[in-house]
Amino acid sequence: AQSVTQPDIHITVSEGASLELRCNYSYGATPYLFWYVQSPGQGLQLLLKYFSGDTLVQGIKGFEAEFKRSQSSFNLRKPSVHWSDAAEYFCAVGAGNTGKLIFGQGTTLQVKP
Amino acid sequence: DVKVTQSSRYLVKRTGEKVFLECVQDMDHENMFWYRQDPGLGLRLIYFSYDVKMKEKGDIPEGYSVSREKKERFSLILESASTNQTSMYLCASSHSSDSQETQYFGPGTRLLVL
Repeated sequence: AQSVTQPDIHITVSEGASLELRCNYSYGATPYLFWYVQSPGQGLQLLLKYFSGDTLVQGIKGFEAEFKRSQSSFNLRKPSVHWSDAAEYFCAVGAGNTGKLIFGQGTTLQVKP
Repeated sequence: DVKVTQSSRYLVKRTGEKVFLECVQDMDHENMFWYRQDPGLGLRLIYFSYDVKMKEKGDIPEGYSVSREKKERFSLILESASTNQTSMYLCASSHSSDSQETQYFGPGTRLLVL
């Protein structure tokens, strides 16, 4: 069965520091992978997605993610975090030809001044 | 810009009440989804719909039903609200059933059942 694991429930980084949020998936075929961000009191917004081609994907707000098939991972990175990046981040995998997404548990990012 | 709106941001209901949560999208999307979001559990799919009057159960459909009479509107119904249905409810829509499609989310409805 498809699943997504985000091992870190909560991460705190200092403003200006680099960030990496981990995501591992379980899926039999080539996965379609997504990262969404949820700011406090808001719905989810797409940061980036991977479905084929270059394994390093660029997204909005300076984020990028790298698909590593051998490690079943799709980690999200940002070289320098801003205070406005404080939010909850969700990794998701597209499930078959249904348009459904399977989400991870989410990682809450706190940014220290 | 795709806009997905939900009828209420906050809702307080009593146990046993029938509750309607409404979702409207303005992009002529085929697919619509209802999720609930709970701390530590991420988003879990309740129901989805890939066409008018069509619906499919998600992972946690018990205690819920849905209605899609018009393409742009997808309603979630709690037939008899219970305290364990206190949660954040998120609606989403996508263009088609292609798994590459981006889902666009509404702002959510935070429901408290007393």
